[in-house]
Parts: sequence; C-alpha cells; structure tokens
Amino acid sequence: GEDVEQSLFLSVREGDSSVINCTYTDSSSTYLYWYKQEPGAGLQLLTYIFSNMDMKQDQRLTVLLNKKDKHLSLRIADTQTGDSAIYFCAESSDSNYQLIWGAGTKLIIKP
Amino acid sequence: DVKVTQSSRYLVKRTGEKVFLECVQDMDHENMFWYRQDPGLGLRLIYFSYDVKMKEKGDIPEGYSVSREKKERFSLILESASTNQTSMYLCASSPIQGSWPPRSSEQYFGPGTRLTVT
Repeated sequence: GEDVEQSLFLSVREGDSSVINCTYTDSSSTYLYWYKQEPGAGLQLLTYIFSNMDMKQDQRLTVLLNKKDKHLSLRIADTQTGDSAIYFCAESSDSNYQLIWGAGTKLIIKP
Repeated sequence: DVKVTQSSRYLVKRTGEKVFLECVQDMDHENMFWYRQDPGLGLRLIYFSYDVKMKEKGDIPEGYSVSREKKERFSLILESASTNQTSMYLCASSPIQGSWPPRSSEQYFGPGTRLTVT
C-alpha cells in the first residue's frame, strides 16, 4: 500500500535553516501537506503543495517537490525556538478519503 | 476559522470501563476522523466517517467503535478499555473536494485527548 517516510529527529542551531524531508510511494498523489504539532497540542496545517507544482514559498517556509523521485521537503529559514515541534508530512490522492501520514519528524533547536 | 473541539484534554479510566470520546466540528465538514498517536508511530487511523451514520474502519479499529448521529459530532467508543489503549487520541474533520469519487482535502484537528487506562 501507499507509504510516507520521514526521519524521526532533526537537530539544528537557532538561526540556521532546517530542512525536513519526506518520501512517498503513491504516484497518484494530488496534494502533499505539512502539518506542525506543538507539545501537547493537535496538528495544525502549515502549508500544502499541489502535485503539478515544484516549489511553494510562504514567508520563512519553502516547500520543494520532486515528483520524479517522490521526494518532498520543508525548509524553515532562520529557525527559532518557537519552531520546536513535530512536523508531519501527508499525502492525498484521488482514490480515497484518507490522508496517508508520515511518522513525524521532531525538530530540536539548539541554542 | 474552523474549530474542532474534543470533550476532554485529559482522561483517566480503569481497565474494563466503557469510554466515550466526543468530537464536534463547526464547519459543516462531511468527513470526520479518529486517530491515535503514539511516540515513533505517528498517526494511525482508527475509524473515519464520510457522512451521517456512515463509517469505515481505518488501520486499527479493533477494540473501538464509533457513532455519527449528527453531521457535526463524531464519537469514539472504547467498549472495554485496556492498558494498551493508553494514548493520545486526535479527532479531525475535512470537507470533500470534487464530486465523485470524493477526495479528501486538508484535515483540521482538535487539541487531542490524552487517555490513560490504569
């Protein structure tokens, strides 16, 4: 079945850029999403990209999509302590109601 | 703003008790979902519903049931709680995009219920 994979942890220094990576297997993916979960909270939609795009930028966030390699990344510029969270990648396709979720990447900020 | 609320943030129950978790959304979304979240396992789908009184099993439905009597409310029921059901439970809703087959779009989450079964 479809699968979405992410590394479980990423550690960066405050002020550096963070790059969180995700790979997926479903070639019929239409939308790919990034969600953020702060400690003790639910998930919040950060951004999404349609599968016919290769880049989307929104302030400090840049999403890159390589459809050939089925690789999605989220770049956070000038990482701040408030960016500490778990980041989930998810994809949807035309074939079902569900989103397919990655396991989440915990972003750790070092001072 | 879409608002999804869950009945409790924290809940402690004893083994064997029947547990009800309620979720309400105020945006007239067709789809609603129940997930559990455990460290290192991400989100696992328990059940989802695409319409009133309609439900579909997700990846881990065993030990759970659901009820959707009204469009805005989706309840998760643990018939006889066990210690391995200690977890964070997340409810989400989403509108349908397109006509048929209906495709899910972005999901909006509640704050979660941390359930401990002792």
